[in-house]
Amino acid sequence: LAKTTQPISMDSYEGQEVNITCSHNNIATNDYITWYQQFPSQGPRFIIQGYKTKVTNEVASLFIPADRKSSTLSLPRVSLSDTAVYYCLLLDSSYKLIFGSGTRLLVRP
Amino acid sequence: ETGVTQSPTHLIKTRGQQVTLRCSSQSGHNTVSWYQQALGQGPQFIFQYYREEENGRGNFPPRFSGLQFPNYSSELNVNALELDDSALYLCASSLVAGVGAYNSPLHFGNGTRLTVT
Repeated sequence: LAKTTQPISMDSYEGQEVNITCSHNNIATNDYITWYQQFPSQGPRFIIQGYKTKVTNEVASLFIPADRKSSTLSLPRVSLSDTAVYYCLLLDSSYKLIFGSGTRLLVRP
Repeated sequence: ETGVTQSPTHLIKTRGQQVTLRCSSQSGHNTVSWYQQALGQGPQFIFQYYREEENGRGNFPPRFSGLQFPNYSSELNVNALELDDSALYLCASSLVAGVGAYNSPLHFGNGTRLTVT
């Protein structure tokens, strides 16, 4: 079974860039790494997905090194509304979907 | 576009009882998966259904079972409830290319909060 590691919590200020890393082993060789955002009392919401190198969309960037043993979610210029829990999601080598333990991001004014 | 809806939003059951949770997938999606999220924890994958067949399962005992219907709605059934089954149960739907495909983004409902006393 894949094991994932994320920082438990992070603090930031409005306007700063935030980078959250998820480390993982036993990842399936041909599947994507996905990141989700979750607010209290809501289901997770898709942020971004990638297979390798760098992916960027209108809200975030995702960096995945060649060995795919980690991924880093980058949130540019965070705002108060970005305060949430962030999860990586991947498929392990036995084809089980694994969520990371989550990183609680607090954005301060 | 209708999103993923789950019912009920909250439920209280007694240990040993059985429970059925329901999920209506997003329009056009052909795959549904279920997750258990204990307080303060990340979601744990229970199982996934594609075209009414289970095609992936996490480390949950057989008393957790499911169904996917032709209209892609779904049920999660839990028998012989235990206190540790108290959690938020999340349903997610996606559109995938075929069996064993997991690459599509998941669209989650807001969950059913189950309390077992």
